[in-house]
Amino acid sequence: AQSVTQPDIHITVSEGASLELRCNYSYGATPYLFWYVQSPGQGLQLLLKYFSGDTLVQGIKGFEAEFKRSQSSFNLRKPSVHWSDAAEYFCAVGGSSGGSNYKLTFGKGTLLTVNP
Amino acid sequence: DAGITQSPRHKVTETGTPVTLRCHQTENHRYMYWYRQDPGHGLRLIHYSYGVKDTDKGEVSDGYSVSRSKTEDFLLTLESATSSQTSVYFCAISRGAGMGYTFGSGTRLTVV
Repeated sequence: AQSVTQPDIHITVSEGASLELRCNYSYGATPYLFWYVQSPGQGLQLLLKYFSGDTLVQGIKGFEAEFKRSQSSFNLRKPSVHWSDAAEYFCAVGGSSGGSNYKLTFGKGTLLTVNP
Repeated sequence: DAGITQSPRHKVTETGTPVTLRCHQTENHRYMYWYRQDPGHGLRLIHYSYGVKDTDKGEVSDGYSVSRSKTEDFLLTLESATSSQTSVYFCAISRGAGMGYTFGSGTRLTVV
């Protein structure tokens, strides 16, 4: 069974500081990995995704994530946080084959607060 | 965005009444999903569809049913709503391998 763990429920950073959100996954084969962001009262927007190739992937809004197979991790990073980054962030894992029906399993989310 | 709309956006209903939520897409995608979002639980899969009349259960399917009689519409029905089904419901579509989901704007359902 596939699963995702986001160890940090809530993180607070100062504007301009660097950010790292942690994500650990469990999946029996080569997974697809995703990070989504949800602003208050909004739907979810895809930040970035990984399947193969370069283990450091770039996304929108200046975010990047690094896939580490040995650690089953896919951590999200940003060098300098802006107040508009305050939101909830979800990591997700899914299958790459049609047999998986492309279902995604989501972590419980990390709420990011940005202090001025 | 991807032409995916959910209706209604908000609904308040009484315990024991049936409720149907609608997800409509305009892009002819095969795969559609219903999730519920609750604080502390993230998003959990209720049901999904991999084609017209082809549906299957997710991890939290008890008390819910779905139907997909045409490609563009995926309906979620609460047969007899309970307070535990108060939640925000998201519909999503997948464009295929590695594409992730595109989500609708959500339906906030309150069962009183």
